[in-house]
Amino acid sequence: GAVVSQHPSRVICKSGTSVKIECRSLDFQATTMFWYRQFPKQSLMLMATSNEGSKATYEQGVEKDKFLINHASLTLSTLTVTSAHPEDSSFYICSARDIGRSSYEQYFGPGTRLTVT
Amino acid sequence: AQRVTQPEKLLSVFKGAPVELKCNYSYSGSPELFWYVQYSRQRLQLLLRHISRESIKGFTADLNKGETSFHLKKPFAQEEDSAMYYCALGGGAGGNTPLVFGKGTRLSVIA
Repeated sequence: GAVVSQHPSRVICKSGTSVKIECRSLDFQATTMFWYRQFPKQSLMLMATSNEGSKATYEQGVEKDKFLINHASLTLSTLTVTSAHPEDSSFYICSARDIGRSSYEQYFGPGTRLTVT
Repeated sequence: AQRVTQPEKLLSVFKGAPVELKCNYSYSGSPELFWYVQYSRQRLQLLLRHISRESIKGFTADLNKGETSFHLKKPFAQEEDSAMYYCALGGGAGGNTPLVFGKGTRLSVIA
């Protein structure tokens, strides 16, 4: 149980275009989802906390107009990278917390590799 | 402020040798501690949580509140243990508080 999926797993886009990444909790409901970036051989960097039905909370230094987050349901959050540039190329990972459990445990998706050319 | 420190960026051990990955935390409340593991080209997955006091794949970790530590141990390392290990701290009011992760320790088990 507790599976988180991400789509797409890999995407290549041209500079200036927008890309949407979906994160779904498959067998549980998640009031809260989290979005991270991971650079090669480095730790996770929290970008934002996504709350169902409300605005996301962004970490300092993360541009909210560039990284649009929508958490429209208890099982789906999306991250849209707007006007992507090569420096946005990275590995994006989402994570979700089970609303039915009283724990801080987070379940992670497999990640999305974004390459901006 | 919550903080997790993993002092070793890289730890290399020989197969069959004991392993200890260090984790220290800073938190004034009652923490919930986790160890996550990320194998090559795989997602992060939970290895241990302190409240379960379980042993997974031979790994154990004990929460020491006096030393604010949650070190991960295994008596005999295996090659398949080679991976990135992250210590994480949960705490704070509200279910939307993210886990605080350490920077991770890359474990390399040498045959």
